[in-house]
Amino acid sequence: GQQVMQIPQYQHVQEGEDFTTYCNSSTTLSNIQWYKQRPGGHPVFLIQLVKSGEVKKQKRLTFQFGEAKKNSSLHITATQTTDVGTYFCAAANAGGTSYGKLTFGQGTILTVHP
Amino acid sequence: DGGITQSPKYLFRKEGQNVTLSCEQNLNHDAMYWYRQDPGQGLRLIYYSQIVNDFQKGDIAEGYSVSREKKESFPLTVTSAQKNPTAFYLCASTGMMVGDGYTFGSGTRLTVV
Repeated sequence: GQQVMQIPQYQHVQEGEDFTTYCNSSTTLSNIQWYKQRPGGHPVFLIQLVKSGEVKKQKRLTFQFGEAKKNSSLHITATQTTDVGTYFCAAANAGGTSYGKLTFGQGTILTVHP
Repeated sequence: DGGITQSPKYLFRKEGQNVTLSCEQNLNHDAMYWYRQDPGQGLRLIYYSQIVNDFQKGDIAEGYSVSREKKESFPLTVTSAQKNPTAFYLCASTGMMVGDGYTFGSGTRLTVV
């Protein structure tokens, strides 16, 4: 099946530093979504990117979708302790017939030291 | 409030037993999904259903079964054939609008004892 590679697996930062996680696919994607899972919690939907080269911002979070629609990134500016958790990308394959079926990356676990 | 409810939160299973995890949503979503989460492996798709009385196998369906008799409900049975069932199980649903992400339940943590 489709695979989505996400790096890094772990990231430790000092509060105030920036953080970026990357998601890559060998196939063209229809869209990509990003989720955040707090420790002990469940994934929560953050955003969906659909268009080639799309950039969306949510306060300190910036999401990008590559021009070829095969990669994406999530960048957090000036991390805070509330940013702690695991960030997942989730991809829908282009041309797929199964509506809404997503393949999740392995996630990046972010730790923020105060 | 609309949402998706999973129960129980914690479940202990003896070797050789079948157990059923409940998932109910009142979001009027057509599509529902079951994922398994193990440390360091992200979320892996077990089964999904896009319409009542129809469901499809995901990437790791062996040892699991589901039913979709009602739009609101998508229970997952972990059978004795599942050799390594200890994991965190997440149910999700989604609507048909562009931009709809998954809404996840709070999960069931299953442990084999």
